[in-house]
Amino acid sequence: DADVTQTPRNRITKTGKRIMLECSQTKGHDRMYWYRQDPGLGLRLIYYSFDVKDINKGEISDGYSVSRQAQAKFSLSLESAIPNQTALYFCATSDFRGNQPQHFGDGTRLSIL
Amino acid sequence: GNSVTQMEGPVTLSEEAFLTINCTYTATGYPSLFWYVQYPGEGLQLLLKATKADDKGSNKGFEATYRKETTSFHLEKGSVQVSDSAVYFCALSDSTSGTYKYIFGTGTRLKVLA
Repeated sequence: DADVTQTPRNRITKTGKRIMLECSQTKGHDRMYWYRQDPGLGLRLIYYSFDVKDINKGEISDGYSVSRQAQAKFSLSLESAIPNQTALYFCATSDFRGNQPQHFGDGTRLSIL
Repeated sequence: GNSVTQMEGPVTLSEEAFLTINCTYTATGYPSLFWYVQYPGEGLQLLLKATKADDKGSNKGFEATYRKETTSFHLEKGSVQVSDSAVYFCALSDSTSGTYKYIFGTGTRLKVLA
């Protein structure tokens, strides 16, 4: 089984709909992250959480919200989806010790029509 | 602020050719440096890392040396295979700012032809 699991893997929806992307991990890491990937732009950080009570905005948090339900679960919501939120979304985790590598899920491909 | 710049792709090589993908960085502290690889339909996987100046990270025939004097971490492989076709990301993590955030380059697509 994957250490970092994202659901769904693919989603097509319409403008204005509320969408939730879920992430769960079995690595026991405290730190979790949500990124979006767009062609030519690399990965951009949406939100990150260092523990259940600590949630922080990343560089592109507008239009998104998150919930850290438990150490192992971190969900991303689009309250009212718009077409320019069409992208590949990744969840990642890392150890609490600084400068350790991140571990990524396989991504959710989201299309908003 | 911190940043990572890597060469634009795509890079197209014949099998057994030598590979270099350039990566330079700016950082205010003492970052760790990483190369990740992304195969089609998958997430990013750690390829190699280096945590201090002059460290050499290596894995699966790939190497990169942390050069503080040139602020570079170029990825090299002596003989690429078709199976190396993927997107490669250079990244840094700087803990001295206290935030432990990660900065990624824009990715370089490598295509290896048989």
